[in-house]
Amino acid sequence: DAGVIQSPRHEVTEMGQEVTLRCKPISGHNSLFWYRQTMMRGLELLIYFNNNVPIDDSGMPEDRFSAKMPNASFSTLKIQPSEPRDSAVYFCASSSITDTQYFGPGTRLTVL
Amino acid sequence: LAKTTQPISMDSYEGQEVNITCSHNNIATNDYITWYQQFPSQGPRFIIQGYKTKVTNEVASLFIPADRKSSTLSLPRVSLSDTAVYYCLSGRSYQKVTFGTGTKLQVIP
Repeated sequence: DAGVIQSPRHEVTEMGQEVTLRCKPISGHNSLFWYRQTMMRGLELLIYFNNNVPIDDSGMPEDRFSAKMPNASFSTLKIQPSEPRDSAVYFCASSSITDTQYFGPGTRLTVL
Repeated sequence: LAKTTQPISMDSYEGQEVNITCSHNNIATNDYITWYQQFPSQGPRFIIQGYKTKVTNEVASLFIPADRKSSTLSLPRVSLSDTAVYYCLSGRSYQKVTFGTGTKLQVIP
């Protein structure tokens, strides 16, 4: 298996622009997680899905952030409009009831 | 959510055994204890998981006392490549878990 796939690996954008991060979970995993990591706040859970349904989005910072999972093999995290304080590494992870969380390589986002 | 507490940092010389202890006083009955390792610019990577007593794999051992309020990750004979941040979590992997600050292990030659 290729593991969790994230794209892009790096994204540089200007303040106010829309940013879309993409994730393909491991086949057969039915839980998907979006995390954000910064030096100041560490690794924070933003939202997670079970069977494509959002279960807990309490970690989403504000309405500028949205996440979707239209099917079992794809999820997006969108930031609109982006702000410099959104600069961070965004990780996607997937899991199943019988398996641990596997993380993708992350997307390093820089908002200028 | 069950909260975990672990040392912020540790130093060790190469070849020594390293033990990192984590406190999870509010662990729930169904929760597992899981340890992850993270290198700079990479996502966390699963090391070991257990429910009680002792678990060993090719990388590490995990010791969990009967009351399950703490656990100890043991890394035998560390090398420079073991320098990383180690996270202790309690919960179920398919549900919401909280990554704390982790323990930054620095292996010294």
